[in-house]
Amino acid sequence: KQEVTQIPAALSVPEGENLVLNCSFTDSAIYNLQWFRQDPGKGLTSLLLIQSSQREQTSGRLNASLDKSSGRSTLYIAASQPGDSATYLCAALGPSGSRLTFGEGTQLTVNP
Amino acid sequence: DTAVSQTPKYLVTQMGNDKSIKCEQNLGHDTMYWYKQDSKKFLKIMFSYNNKELIINETVPNRFSPKSPDKAHLNLHINSLELGDSAVYFCASSRGQAQTNTEAFFGQGTRLTVV
Repeated sequence: KQEVTQIPAALSVPEGENLVLNCSFTDSAIYNLQWFRQDPGKGLTSLLLIQSSQREQTSGRLNASLDKSSGRSTLYIAASQPGDSATYLCAALGPSGSRLTFGEGTQLTVNP
Repeated sequence: DTAVSQTPKYLVTQMGNDKSIKCEQNLGHDTMYWYKQDSKKFLKIMFSYNNKELIINETVPNRFSPKSPDKAHLNLHINSLELGDSAVYFCASSRGQAQTNTEAFFGQGTRLTVV
């Protein structure tokens, strides 16, 4: 059974700082790994998807990496802004087909 | 246009009542899901449907009954509501069977409060 863990559970940084969020998964036989953002009281917004054959994906100030063999993914946020404050969730797809397994999230606060 | 839409957004009801949450997606996806987010914000899959066929039922109490009238809709009916059913329920969809580029899209959630 796939288990996904995110560290740290919460992170508070000053504006402008670069930061890394960590995600680990126990079963490396995944189709892909997806990073989401959730604002308080809102739904999930997809940020980046890394396919199992890929090593990283970039979107603006966000860069996500994937190391399947070690069961790890990281989300790098450059030059953080107060608007980046949210909960960040990673989710692994598979191997049992149509099942996204989520981590418990990292609650990020960027202080002005 | 909202890709995955759920109604209602908020639902407050008394114990013992029966309620339904509706979900529709306009992305042309074949697979739809229901997830439950508990008070600790942990998201856990409940059901998954592919082309109107149930493919995942994650040991959810049989008071919860999903219904997929067509590929674009997956509704969730809950009988005899209990206090412990209070949570945020998310609908999601993705394209076809799981592949490496399968991306899931989520609705805005339905906050269910049972009093």
